[in-house]
Amino acid sequence: SSELTQDPAVSVALGQTVRITCQGDSLRNYYASWYQQKPGQAPVLVIYAKDNRPSGIPDRFSGSSSGNTASLTISGAQAEDEADYYCNSRDNSGNHLLFGGGTKVTVL
Amino acid sequence: EVQLLESGGGLVRPGGSLRLSCSASGFRFTSYAMTWVRQAPGKGLEWVAGLSGSGASTYYADSVKGRLTISRDNSQNTLYLHINSLRVEDTALYYCARDRRGIPTGELDFWGQGALVTVSS
Repeated sequence: SSELTQDPAVSVALGQTVRITCQGDSLRNYYASWYQQKPGQAPVLVIYAKDNRPSGIPDRFSGSSSGNTASLTISGAQAEDEADYYCNSRDNSGNHLLFGGGTKVTVL
Repeated sequence: EVQLLESGGGLVRPGGSLRLSCSASGFRFTSYAMTWVRQAPGKGLEWVAGLSGSGASTYYADSVKGRLTISRDNSQNTLYLHINSLRVEDTALYYCARDRRGIPTGELDFWGQGALVTVSS
């Protein structure tokens, strides 16, 4: 398969933990990266190479991977974490990039 | 400070062509692969093309192959995307993004604010 599948939406209570998943065959061979996109803004890289955070990304964001599934966890979700989250990785050929369809996270 | 600034978007008739530019500053341009990602109105992100830091290797999504050409002028720190035979479904905000490495990995650590391309008669 040359697709990455994400749940369309998830909600989390303020201060609680939410996990967003991304499934695809290519994730058995390549790590996922994760992006946060707020309305009207460009995406921001929050996790790369499975579990690495770029400078400036809060440590409540973490990543993991097992088999064909990558996960992004937000521990102690804040109101400002409400956004769309996208995963991506290379496809099995290594020459193309794939994006998941995105997960809308609502903080209640 | 890393900055990416896209330009060249606009309203184009179906069948027309367009060249987008992305001016880069704040980093050694030749050391990084670059990528174009587009987002149709209200839709998700779609990768369209990537290019190694040297410009020697190019990569295209199957959905646009043959109509798009990605290139770079390392002397001008500028990335380009030339789109031919524009279709209504090419209407999108086109982002340029920097890869963390010299070859495309998909780890896109800096993004521009996007250039809007509208294809309509």
